[in-house]
Parts: sequence; C-alpha cells; structure tokens
Amino acid sequence: KAGVTQTPRYLIKTRGQQVTLSCSPISGHRSVSWYQQTPGQGLQFLFEYFSETQRNKGNFPGRFSGRQFSNSRSEMNVSTLELGDSALYLCASRLRLAEYNEQFFGPGTRLTVL
Amino acid sequence: QQQVKQSPQSLIVQKGGISIINCAYENTAFDYFPWYQQFPGKGPALLIAIRPDVSEKKEGRFTISFNKSAKQFSLHIMDSQPGDSATYFCAASRKSGGGADGLTFGKGTHLIIQP
Repeated sequence: KAGVTQTPRYLIKTRGQQVTLSCSPISGHRSVSWYQQTPGQGLQFLFEYFSETQRNKGNFPGRFSGRQFSNSRSEMNVSTLELGDSALYLCASRLRLAEYNEQFFGPGTRLTVL
Repeated sequence: QQQVKQSPQSLIVQKGGISIINCAYENTAFDYFPWYQQFPGKGPALLIAIRPDVSEKKEGRFTISFNKSAKQFSLHIMDSQPGDSATYFCAASRKSGGGADGLTFGKGTHLIIQP
C-alpha cells in the first residue's frame, strides 16, 4: 500500500506570495493533518481535516488555511508569505477519527521563502 | 508553553549499548504517547506508542516506559545499531469530541550510534 504522498517536494517563493501544497493520504485513510517543522519551533500542529471539514486547528494565523476534497486529498494554502514561513510542511493521515492519534507522515514539502 | 519536554537534545551511544530518551508532559488530559523516528529528508515514522493504562510496552528492541504519576515516559533502544542513528520525537495527544486532538511534539533528540 502506498504511503502518504506530498507535492511538490521543494518550493521557493518570495515574501508576499502565496503557496499551495498538496497531500494524498494512504488509501482508505479519511483524516489528513498538517504540521510545520522548523529547527526553532520543532513540529507544530496546523490543522486536521476529516470528511472535508476542518475539525481541529492549532495556533497559527489565518494566513494558513486548508481544505479537503471528497477523495480525502488535501491542500494547504499559505497567503502573504513571510520569511518565518520557511519550513518543512508535513502531511499525516489516519484511518478514522479514533480516540488515539495514530498518524502516518509523508516526506514533506520543503518551503523556502526569500 | 512547551507541553512536552524532551531530553537530551543529542545523544551518542556505542554500538550494542542502550539508548535512553526521556519526555515529560504537563497536560494530564494527554492519553496517547507515540514515538517517531525521523531520518534526514524523510517524514517522521511511527515507531511505537503507549496508552496510560500500561506502564511498559515492548516491540523488538524498542521499549516505552510510562510513569503516569510522574507524568514522564521514555524510549529505550536496546542493542543500539548504527542504523538507529536518527532524530527521535516523543509526542502526546488527548481525546476530544469525535476523536483525538493534534499531536504535541517534543523538540527531538538527535541520536548517533557509533560503530
């Protein structure tokens, strides 16, 4: 079974631009979460989508948004990019909204903001 | 507020030795504690996880020890091998309506196993 896939793997943008990242979960998984990984802050939860609805959100500004499609694929959008948005953005999927958060991560999209 | 504190930041262990990484949490509502392993250029991979109703869980060379009263849990890697060299993250989550919240991660431990 294929794992979580993310595209693109690398992106370079300039301040003020916007960016869209894509994630395809493991086949059959209906929940998709997004995380930001930086050397300073570590891994931080952005949001989670299930059945096309955002059900959980971390402590990030409204410039960070996402959506999920009927096939469970998800996109994350960051508007008005700032230098501090440079990070590895990780997508994770899980089968269902179980009580315990057993998540499987993709390889990430490395975003560099110049 | 850092809800999960992980130590040490880096660790060097000789091949065949025991690697021990510790985590402490603050939120008593946390009820699921996974460990992830991350190699350079890869996403974190789920290694092993524990729930607070047990004090220890073992899978192969990897063991989680859990102390609910102290709000601490640790990862032990027995017979450490060079292939275990990676960054390890502890994490925690809690139940919420309809399922668990997002994972809260420790800052990570960079483990090097010397041959």
